[in-house]
Amino acid sequence: NAGVTQTPKFRVLKTGQSMTLLCAQDMNHEYMYWYRQDPGMGLRLIHYSVGEGTTAKGEVPDGYNVSRLKKQNFLLGLESAAPSQTSVYFCASSYSRGGNHQPQHFGDGTRLSIL
Amino acid sequence: QQQVKQSPQSLIVQKGGISIINCAYENTAFDYFPWYQQFPGKGPALLIAIRPDVSEKKEGRFTISFNKSAKQFSLHIMDSQPGDSATYFCAASMLGQGGKLIFGQGTELSVKP
Repeated sequence: NAGVTQTPKFRVLKTGQSMTLLCAQDMNHEYMYWYRQDPGMGLRLIHYSVGEGTTAKGEVPDGYNVSRLKKQNFLLGLESAAPSQTSVYFCASSYSRGGNHQPQHFGDGTRLSIL
Repeated sequence: QQQVKQSPQSLIVQKGGISIINCAYENTAFDYFPWYQQFPGKGPALLIAIRPDVSEKKEGRFTISFNKSAKQFSLHIMDSQPGDSATYFCAASMLGQGGKLIFGQGTELSVKP
């Protein structure tokens, strides 16, 4: 039972390059999220999805795109990487239970450096 | 605009002492306040959570105190242990928003033996 798996774990990019971060969950969760973690700023929501084929913007969506073609996968794309996008990226997922909050389950992060 | 403010940024406590981390929120529509614990190199994991209809929730050595009128809540770790050394995040959420969490800035706790 892997939970939430993020690929890759580390990556170094040059400014202007593009890349895709992959998140996969095996818990049949409806909701999935992408956060970035920066020192002194906590975790900030980039984009999220409430179901297959749906996505929505979070607090800091600029410069990122996402897709959820399959329920178990949530992809985060950087079309033209900028140094300001150097961060640790976390994916999370949770159940959807009408009227009840559910815990989010996090992956172990992708450490991305943009030179 | 930081909707959830957390303090202190870092905290050093002696083994056996009490660790206290504070959070304040702005939006009165929030109805769920979890705390997440994160160890180095790992993702955050849910530690304990509270709803605004109760003033306190205790799970083992961890207690959340909630003050609705002041829009503040805090995490108390009793008998702190070196294994509690981690980064702690408070968060807030409201129903009907896709389960989105608004996180505080985080507190790095170090428990000295």
